[in-house]
Amino acid sequence: NAGVMQNPRHLVRRRGQEARLRCSPMKGHSHVYWYRQLPEEGLKFMVYLQKENIIDESGMPKERFSAEFPKEGPSILRIQQVVRGDSAAYFCASSPDRVQPQHFGDGTRLSIL
Amino acid sequence: DAKTTQPNSMESNEEEPVHLPCNHSTISGTDYIHWYRQLPSQGPEYVIHGLTSNVNNRMASLAIAEDRKSSTLILHRATLRDAAVYYCILRDSSYNTDKLIFGTGTRLQVFP
Repeated sequence: NAGVMQNPRHLVRRRGQEARLRCSPMKGHSHVYWYRQLPEEGLKFMVYLQKENIIDESGMPKERFSAEFPKEGPSILRIQQVVRGDSAAYFCASSPDRVQPQHFGDGTRLSIL
Repeated sequence: DAKTTQPNSMESNEEEPVHLPCNHSTISGTDYIHWYRQLPSQGPEYVIHGLTSNVNNRMASLAIAEDRKSSTLILHRATLRDAAVYYCILRDSSYNTDKLIFGTGTRLQVFP
C-alpha cells in the first residue's frame, strides 16, 4: 500500500513565479491536510480538505496561496508570485477520517531564488 | 489553539528506556494527544495516540495524566534508529476542522 506521495521533492522558483505542489493521498483516504515547516521549527497547519471541499483554511495566508482537492487527481497547493519568505518544506498528510492517524508524505522543499 | 511544551533535547543510551515528557495544560476535552517523530529530510511518522487511557503499541507506550494536562511517551528500549525529533501534538477535530497542532519537539539522541 503506497504511502502519501508528494512531488516534486525539490522545487526551485524565482521571485514572482508560481509554485504548484502535488499530493496523492493514500488509497482510500479522502481527507487531505497541508502543513508548512520553516527551518528548525515544527510544522504549522495550513489547510484541511475533503474531496472537492475546503473544510478549514485558517492557516493559509490570505493572499497568493490556494489549495484544491478535485474529484479526480491529486491535491494541489498553489503559491502565486512567490517571495523569499515562502521558502520552506511543505508537507501533505492524508487520513480516511477524523479519527484515524494522519499519514505524511516526505514533503516538497521549496527554494526561492 | 491549545499548545504543548516539550524539552528541547534529551539523550539516551542504546537499549535503555526513554521517557519523553509533554505538558499540555490548556488541552480541551475533545483533543486527542498524538506523538509523531521526524527524521531529517522526511515527513513526520505516526507513533501513538490516546485520549484519556494509557496506550501501548509495537513502537511505544503513552502514559496520560489523570487530569490530561501532561503525558509521557515511553520507548522501552531505545535503538540508534530511534534518534529523531519527537513531537507531542494535540489533534483538534472539532466540528469545522481537523488539524494537528505541533509543538517545537524534543530532539532525542541515542548513544551506542
